[in-house]
Amino acid sequence: KQEVTQIPAALSVPEGENLVLNCSFTDSAIYNLQWFRQDPGKGLTSLLLIQSSQREQTSGRLNASLDKSSGRSTLYIAASQPGDSATYLCAVEYGNKLVFGAGTILRVKS
Amino acid sequence: NAGVTQTPKFRILKIGQSMTLQCTQDMNHNYMYWYRQDPGMGLKLIYYSVGAGITDKGEVPNGYNVSRSTTEDFPLRLELAAPSQTSVYFCASRDRTTYEQYFGPGTRLTVT
Repeated sequence: KQEVTQIPAALSVPEGENLVLNCSFTDSAIYNLQWFRQDPGKGLTSLLLIQSSQREQTSGRLNASLDKSSGRSTLYIAASQPGDSATYLCAVEYGNKLVFGAGTILRVKS
Repeated sequence: NAGVTQTPKFRILKIGQSMTLQCTQDMNHNYMYWYRQDPGMGLKLIYYSVGAGITDKGEVPNGYNVSRSTTEDFPLRLELAAPSQTSVYFCASRDRTTYEQYFGPGTRLTVT
């Protein structure tokens, strides 16, 4: 069964810290991997998409890496800010379908 | 561009009632999806469509039906609502060039 796991489930850090969110998946035959942000009561916003042939993608203070052979991805957030507080979801695409992890709830304290 | 829009935003149903959740996208995306999100969980795929007239089941299709008569619209029908269908429902569409999925704001449904 294709499963996606995210660790930790929740994370609280002081403003300015660099942090890493982890995502692991059981089936390495992926098309791509996406990281999303979800604010309370809102829909999902795509942050980064890594194709299966790529190793990483960067956007501003965000960097996502992909290691297909080990079934892992990390989302690195540099110099965290209170506005980064949200739930971060990892999703792996197999064929036409995305399989989601349960998310990491991030709180950045000012 | 409005992106992906969903109506209604909130709805309370009694057990056994039926309703249709509406989803429209204006980005001319062929791929569209319906997900449900239960508290503390990731999203689970209910149904998806790769183009007008083509739909397929996802991970949790029981109790739901969909249709796709146009590229823009992808309604989700709940027949005989049950408490287990209490959830937040998200519609999404996918850009076939970038593969990114774009989500609507969600519909919060309570069945009592």
